Amino acid sequence: GEDVEQSLFLSVREGDSSVINCTYTDSSSTYLYWYKQEPGAGLQLLTYIFSNMDMKQDQRLTVLLNKKDKHLSLRIADTQTGDSAIYFCAENSPSSNTGKLIFGQGTTLQVKP
Amino acid sequence: NAGVTQTPKFQVLKTGQSMTLQCAQDMNHNSMYWYRQDPGMGLRLIYYSASEGTTDKGEVPNGYNVSRLNKREFSLRLESAAPSQTSVYFCASSEAGRQGHYGYTFGSGTRLTVV
Repeated sequence: GEDVEQSLFLSVREGDSSVINCTYTDSSSTYLYWYKQEPGAGLQLLTYIFSNMDMKQDQRLTVLLNKKDKHLSLRIADTQTGDSAIYFCAENSPSSNTGKLIFGQGTTLQVKP
Repeated sequence: NAGVTQTPKFQVLKTGQSMTLQCAQDMNHNSMYWYRQDPGMGLRLIYYSASEGTTDKGEVPNGYNVSRLNKREFSLRLESAAPSQTSVYFCASSEAGRQGHYGYTFGSGTRLTVV
């Protein structure tokens, strides 16, 4: 079945790098996503990666994908207090042809000044 | 451009009351979704509508009904609210891009408390 797992909490100091990890089970997923949720707000798409890529970089964000191990990570360089939020990993469900996404539980990132 | 608009933002219900959560999108997306968010459980899909005129159950549909009124609007109804339905509800919409990339646009959420 489809399942996405994340650790629930990560605490870092301002200026350090943050790495948020995610594992997924559906090997047919074609896209994997990272969403950010700030307090009291909805989720915003941060970045996504196509399954035939193993890395994608976008300014301070680096996404690494290991298809063999079904492992996805999000690295935030030079983490700022404004990066404090909940980060959700998600995979698509190609077999359903509905655009349905499966989300992980979310990782709360705490950035200490 | 408003994106996805949800109303109301906050609601308190008594057990057994009914209510409808409204969602509208102005991006001409075909697909719309209702999720609930509970601490430590992430987002769980309640119902979705792949296109106008169709609706399907998600992971946790019990106690809910939906209506895809037209391409823009997708409402979620609680017929007889229960305390277990206390949650934050998110509506989202999507349109497949190239190669099937379904990026979701989320509303800002409805915080529902059932007492």
